[in-house]
Amino acid sequence: EVLMVESGGGLIKPGGSLRLSCAASGFTFSKAWMNWVRQAPGKGLEWVGRIKSKTDGETIDYAAPVKGRFTISRDDSKNTLYLQMNSLKTEDTAVYYCTTKVDWGQGTLVTVSS
Amino acid sequence: QSVLTQPPSASGTPGQRVTISCSGSNSNIGGNYVHWYQQLPGTAPKLLIYRNNQRPSGVPDRFSGSKSGTSASLAISGLRSEDEADYYCAAWDDSLSGQVFGTGTKVTVL
Repeated sequence: EVLMVESGGGLIKPGGSLRLSCAASGFTFSKAWMNWVRQAPGKGLEWVGRIKSKTDGETIDYAAPVKGRFTISRDDSKNTLYLQMNSLKTEDTAVYYCTTKVDWGQGTLVTVSS
Repeated sequence: QSVLTQPPSASGTPGQRVTISCSGSNSNIGGNYVHWYQQLPGTAPKLLIYRNNQRPSGVPDRFSGSKSGTSASLAISGLRSEDEADYYCAAWDDSLSGQVFGTGTKVTVL
């Protein structure tokens, strides 16, 4: 069974930093292209970024609103995906999902507020 | 800001057929696969259709997808109460070098 569990969300002040983790199991994580997708309260889905597998060059792409502030990384030895979020803004408030695009985690809520 | 446009809502009575449209451009739908997701209230999205018209195992054949040019559609036939959810289309956008989602459509079963 595929399982992805996000963690690390919480309440953070504007300008602060937070690191999210996504622990994956039930599939060959090292071969998967992994994505972060977020959903602001009451709003639609927004793609945050993607990291390819090491064999595909581990290329990383980011959405324009987060480029330069967020960093996606992976540790294939731990089957874990990360999202380092810096210079957080109130508009980054959302539930953050990790996903292979087929399977999704349950999400972790990040609230940016003073 | 979504670049794929969907109607905000759609509805039907049990057993009816409902169709949801998704309009894009040459840089996304026109040149790449379209996928559809279903999001039930309070839950994570679920892949419903991939590569324009393919159903993952376990998805009922009441759900079907199609694509023509820069538009795509999701059809739900034999509408059931458990189909009440938000539906999103998605595609890769070559100009943005990123995934784009539709604005989302809320389906209500009357």
